[in-house]
Amino acid sequence: SQQGEEDPQALSIQEGENATMNCSYKTSINNLQWYRQNSGRGLVHLILIRSNEREKHSGRLRVTLDTSKKSSSLLITASRAADTASYFCATAPKAAGNKLTFGGGTRVLVKP
Amino acid sequence: GAVVSQHPSRVICKSGTSVKIECRSLDFQATTMFWYRQFPKKSLMLMATSNEGSKATYEQGVEKDKFLINHASLTLSTLTVTSAHPEDSSFYICSARGNSNQPQHFGDGTRLSIL
Repeated sequence: SQQGEEDPQALSIQEGENATMNCSYKTSINNLQWYRQNSGRGLVHLILIRSNEREKHSGRLRVTLDTSKKSSSLLITASRAADTASYFCATAPKAAGNKLTFGGGTRVLVKP
Repeated sequence: GAVVSQHPSRVICKSGTSVKIECRSLDFQATTMFWYRQFPKKSLMLMATSNEGSKATYEQGVEKDKFLINHASLTLSTLTVTSAHPEDSSFYICSARGNSNQPQHFGDGTRLSIL
């Protein structure tokens, strides 16, 4: 089964609301990363959280990591229409060397 | 910083044509570059990993003779889809990274359509 499963698959919220999405994984990791992808474009790196870190902030983004539960969450506070995108978590498994494994993504729609 | 340029952004060509996609790191040296394929509304599937000056490592199920990868310098990798067929139509995305402690930075992708 897939490393990096995201939940929910899709999320629709009003501008100003918070958006939370979760990512679960199966194997030990070096780090976990969150990326955003606008439709038809490449991925933009948002946050990298290392396995020895529990929480990280970047602007309106907050990422948590619970290695005991093998899960991470991404919170977008005070969402804006421009936050509409797909969000992917990607894990760097310890056994996989250089490679990232991407989850299925959460499609977020922020309605103005 | 950490800009990755990928081109072309879109290719439409006839079946049997070979198509080359370039991926350049503009402001950093990319020790490792990655090539992904993405189907509509799906996640990224890693095709291969390339390190500068060495042969690419392909993922299981990816034909290395079909998808030729060259990583000739620390700032350039190319993916050539040889004798492309309609089933090769997809969105191809490259990424580049300095060292293993740094995140991957992605190009904007190439939408390949084979008629």
